[in-house]
Amino acid sequence: GAGVSQSPSNKVTEKGKDVELRCDPISGHTALYWYRQSLGQGLEFLIYFQGNSAPDKSGLPSDRFSAERTGGSVSTLTIQRTQQEDSAVYLCASSLAGFRGNEKLFFGSGTQLSVL
Amino acid sequence: AQSVTQLDSQVPVFEEAPVELRCNYSSSVSVYLFWYVQYPNQGLQLLLKYLSGSTLVESINGFEAEFNKSQTSFHLRKPSVHISDTAEYFCAVSVNRSGFNKFYFGSGTKLNVKP
Repeated sequence: GAGVSQSPSNKVTEKGKDVELRCDPISGHTALYWYRQSLGQGLEFLIYFQGNSAPDKSGLPSDRFSAERTGGSVSTLTIQRTQQEDSAVYLCASSLAGFRGNEKLFFGSGTQLSVL
Repeated sequence: AQSVTQLDSQVPVFEEAPVELRCNYSSSVSVYLFWYVQYPNQGLQLLLKYLSGSTLVESINGFEAEFNKSQTSFHLRKPSVHISDTAEYFCAVSVNRSGFNKFYFGSGTKLNVKP
C-alpha cells in the first residue's frame, strides 16, 4: 500500500482478554517499530524489527506483550490477559533500512486500545 | 542514557503570532534530531530533521529549528502561525545502537492556534 496500515483502528476489550494488533508496513521497508502513546506521555518504544528478527525487545513492558513479523512484512503485536493500564494508542512505524540514523519514520494511524 | 524533554505540554497562541516549541535532549553520543507533527485525526509525519552541516533547518511550511550543541537543544520556531498549524508536535532523537536506530520521543507539545 501507499502508507503504513494498522488494524483495527479501535479496539475495545474486557480485562483479561487477549488482543492482536496488526501492522502492514510500506512495501520494501525492512525496519519496523512499535510504539505506545499513552495520554499525556511521549511515544514509548516497544520493539524493533529488522526483517523478521527483533534485535531490540527491550521496550516490551511485560511478558504479556509479544510481537512477531513474518515474511519481512506484516507484524502482529499481541497482548495477553489485558489490563486497564494497557489502554493506549499503539503506533507502528517503518523505515527503509533501519541502520541509518537519518532515516525518516513513516507512521500508521495507530490502534486505540481500550481495556474495560 | 538518552532522553528528550519537551517542557511545554500545551502552547496556546493567536494566529499570526510567533511561536517557539522547546526541546532539550540528553545523550552521551552523537544524535540525529527530528520534529514530527501529528495533525488532528492523522498519523505522525516528519516535519524537519537535523543530520549535519548547517545548524538551522527549515520545513516547507515555514517552521525552522536550530541545533544548539552546547545547550543540547533543538527548539522549533515559526515567525507567524496559521490556524492550520494547530497540531501536536513531537521532538525526537535518533541514536545508533548496536547497528540500528533507536528513536526517543518527547512527550509532545500541543500547539493551539486561535483566531
